[in-house]
Amino acid sequence: AQSVTQLDSQVPVFEEAPVELRCNYSSSVSVYLFWYVQYPNQGLQLLLKYLSGSTLVESINGFEAEFNKSQTSFHLRKPSVHISDTAEYFCAVANAGNNRKLIWGLGTSLAVNP
Amino acid sequence: KAGVTQTPRYLIKTRGQQVTLSCSPISGHRSVSWYQQTPGQGLQFLFEYFSETQRNKGNFPGRFSGRQFSNSRSEMNVSTLELGDSALYLCASSEPTVPGGYTFGSGTRLTVV
Repeated sequence: AQSVTQLDSQVPVFEEAPVELRCNYSSSVSVYLFWYVQYPNQGLQLLLKYLSGSTLVESINGFEAEFNKSQTSFHLRKPSVHISDTAEYFCAVANAGNNRKLIWGLGTSLAVNP
Repeated sequence: KAGVTQTPRYLIKTRGQQVTLSCSPISGHRSVSWYQQTPGQGLQFLFEYFSETQRNKGNFPGRFSGRQFSNSRSEMNVSTLELGDSALYLCASSEPTVPGGYTFGSGTRLTVV
């Protein structure tokens, strides 16, 4: 069965510091990978996704994630964070076949401090 | 285009009551999924509807049910509420041809007292 592990439940960082939110998955088949962000009192928003092609994917607000098939990882990175990046980040995986139900990690709470 | 609309935003119910939550998907999206979000359990999948048919179901008791109407709007119902049902209930709509292209609503915060 597929599963997703977000290795850090909380990540505190200072503003303008780099950050990495780690995500590992287990699956015996080809997968699609996603990062979603949830700001306080809001629903989830898609941040970026890997479907195929280049293993490095980027979002419009400076985040990037790299699909590493051998390590079954999809870590999220940003070279310099802002206060406004404070949010909950969720990694998710879906079977690339017909059943595309998303399997979710438990989330990582990113707290950016001044 | 309008996003996913969930109503109501907040709800307080007492144990034993039942509740119905509503979700209006993005226009053109035929699939609606429901999730329960709690601090301890994270996001847990409840069910997914596509063209008025339940396509996937999570591991929740039969007290949790849902349906989808011909206009793709969806409702979920929880009967005989328990304290542990207190959670944020999120609805997400998608077009199944787009992998992982879920758009979430802001959720309904249910508190059971």
